[in-house]
Amino acid sequence: GAGVSQTPSNKVTEKGKYVELRCDPISGHTALYWYRQSLGQGPEFLIYFQGTGAADDSGLPNDRFFAVRPEGSVSTLKIQRTERGDSAVYLCASSLTIDLAGYNEQFFGPGTRLTVL
Amino acid sequence: DQQVKQNSPSLSVQEGRISILNCDYTNSMFDYFLWYKKYPAEGPTFLISISSIKDKNEDGRFTVFLNKSAKHLSLHIVPSQPGDSAVYFCAATTLGRLYFGRGTQLTVWP
Repeated sequence: GAGVSQTPSNKVTEKGKYVELRCDPISGHTALYWYRQSLGQGPEFLIYFQGTGAADDSGLPNDRFFAVRPEGSVSTLKIQRTERGDSAVYLCASSLTIDLAGYNEQFFGPGTRLTVL
Repeated sequence: DQQVKQNSPSLSVQEGRISILNCDYTNSMFDYFLWYKKYPAEGPTFLISISSIKDKNEDGRFTVFLNKSAKHLSLHIVPSQPGDSAVYFCAATTLGRLYFGRGTQLTVWP
């Protein structure tokens, strides 16, 4: 398919473990975003990339969270020492580019549901 | 502190009638306002947007109204159809970031 894909679709882990969540954006999209959606809430911005660099990582909740996009395509969100409060759906989106004064449609993947026991 | 608010968690409407979903915001720097639709186990999909310099945008059965003085926007769906049943998120953007409300579950019954 030509949409944004995310793997795994579900991840169950134990408190204190390390997890990696992967996002494959739409081919040719230079901008990539990560969001977190907790139960009963809307998606909350974490970080976005323009190309390989993190243009804005101010939404990352603390230093346990880190994201990379080494070749400007696939991105990985990494969470160290997971806590029960990290349980949420992690959504990835991509857009053709970033327009700081306007809007470029963001296309979302289906998300990864993370459960920390 | 939530900058985009949807105060109605749910709305139930009969097929063929109008659905009106409401949204309030606090940040006057937002450039665009958007509505996203979300089905279970899927990511949100873009529905319609409006620039902060406009007060209305229409696309088929969907119309978004923006009242900047009241910092309020609404989405009208006419006529509502059972396939419109989903969670609707209001969102706003500034500096490349999207800010979402908590969503409203719309149910359209036959």
